Amino acid sequence: AAGVIQSPRHLIKEKRETATLKCYPIPRHDTVYWYQQGPGQDPQFLISFYEKMQSDKGSIPDRFSAQQFSDYHSELNMSSLELGDSALYFCASSEGTGEYLNTEAFFGQGTRLTVV
Amino acid sequence: QKEVEQDPGPLSVPEGAIVSLNCTYSNSAFQYFMWYRQYSRKGPELLMYTYSSGNKEDGRFTAQVDKSSKYISLFIRDSQPSDSATYLCAMSSFPSGGYNKLIFGAGTRLAVHP
Repeated sequence: AAGVIQSPRHLIKEKRETATLKCYPIPRHDTVYWYQQGPGQDPQFLISFYEKMQSDKGSIPDRFSAQQFSDYHSELNMSSLELGDSALYFCASSEGTGEYLNTEAFFGQGTRLTVV
Repeated sequence: QKEVEQDPGPLSVPEGAIVSLNCTYSNSAFQYFMWYRQYSRKGPELLMYTYSSGNKEDGRFTAQVDKSSKYISLFIRDSQPSDSATYLCAMSSFPSGGYNKLIFGAGTRLAVHP
């Protein structure tokens, strides 16, 4: 079965550089969530999209932005990278059914970002 | 205080033992409860999904939700070394306006030794 695909799997950037992470949800899933997981920490919600519109926002820094495209894939753009941005970034997808969102979210394998 | 509390462990048990993992929460609006298993450097894998109170069983795994006590549990019977992973509880509220997000516990690291 198709799963959530994230790319790249690993990324090394220098401070103040820019990074773009990509997420391809499970087919027919129209909702995408982004999470950040620091070393030894639980995943922290960043932002979500439903039907290409931002649906919720969590602890996402102003230096980060994201969007969902017409094919439902999503990109997380991170600028002015800081050492503290080093983490695993997970994307999850679920199938929304209008007002009653199916909350079974399936995660990708994550992108490990290292800022040096 | 975090919305979801989970003992990070580590929890070490012998093979074949029954494992009990728990989370407590403070937000009474939570209606959906999930358990994820995460192996090192991998994405969380959905194990169990429960709506509202009650029990749900799937093979060696049983999830329990007690909304009156704001307490959820995951039981693993006949634990195997392959069950060694971090177990994350997650929950969300009934969506108002159609959208919601998962709130995670800190994760409990489980080690099952032969």
